[in-house]
Amino acid sequence: AQRVTQPEKLLSVFKGAPVELKCNYSYSGSPELFWYVQYSRQRLQLLLRHISRESIKGFTADLNKGETSFHLKKPFAQEEDSAMYYCALTETSGSRLTFGEGTQLTVNP
Amino acid sequence: ETGVTQTPRHLVMGMTNKKSLKCEQHLGHNAMYWYKQSAKKPLELMFVYNFKEQTENNSVPSRFSPECPNSSHLFLHLHTLQPEDSALYLCASSQERDFTDTQYFGPGTRLTVL
Repeated sequence: AQRVTQPEKLLSVFKGAPVELKCNYSYSGSPELFWYVQYSRQRLQLLLRHISRESIKGFTADLNKGETSFHLKKPFAQEEDSAMYYCALTETSGSRLTFGEGTQLTVNP
Repeated sequence: ETGVTQTPRHLVMGMTNKKSLKCEQHLGHNAMYWYKQSAKKPLELMFVYNFKEQTENNSVPSRFSPECPNSSHLFLHLHTLQPEDSALYLCASSQERDFTDTQYFGPGTRLTVL
């Protein structure tokens, strides 16, 4: 069964500091992973997906199959990055999507 | 309005009431989804529709009844709900019924069952 774990429910950093939101998954096949973000009073939206290997708003995430992780990183956090972040997984056939519980990131001035 | 819209945004109902949640997408997508977001729990997929046909029912109790009259509209009919059904109900759509596609979410309906 697919499972996504985000061990930190809350994460607080200062502006300009590096930030890393952890995501671990369990899945025996070949996964595709995503990060979704929900800013205050806005709807849930896709931030990035590993297959695109892109950087969005300064965030990157690398799929580490050995450690079964897909941590989200940004070298210098900004106050506008404060939001709820969800890691999600699907298999490459796209037959199911599983979300983690989310991490609330707060970037303090 | 563009994107995915949901009405109502807030709903309070008693356990004996019957109500419906509505979702509409203006993106020309073929697949639509209902999710449940409860406090301190991951987002849970409830139903999936592809070209108006239900393709997945994720063991949802029968007191939740979905309806998809066309690819742009999705309803969730509610009857004899329980207080534990109180949650945020999110609608989403994607181009195809393929979870590798980007999901576009609506703002949600905050449901409270008394």
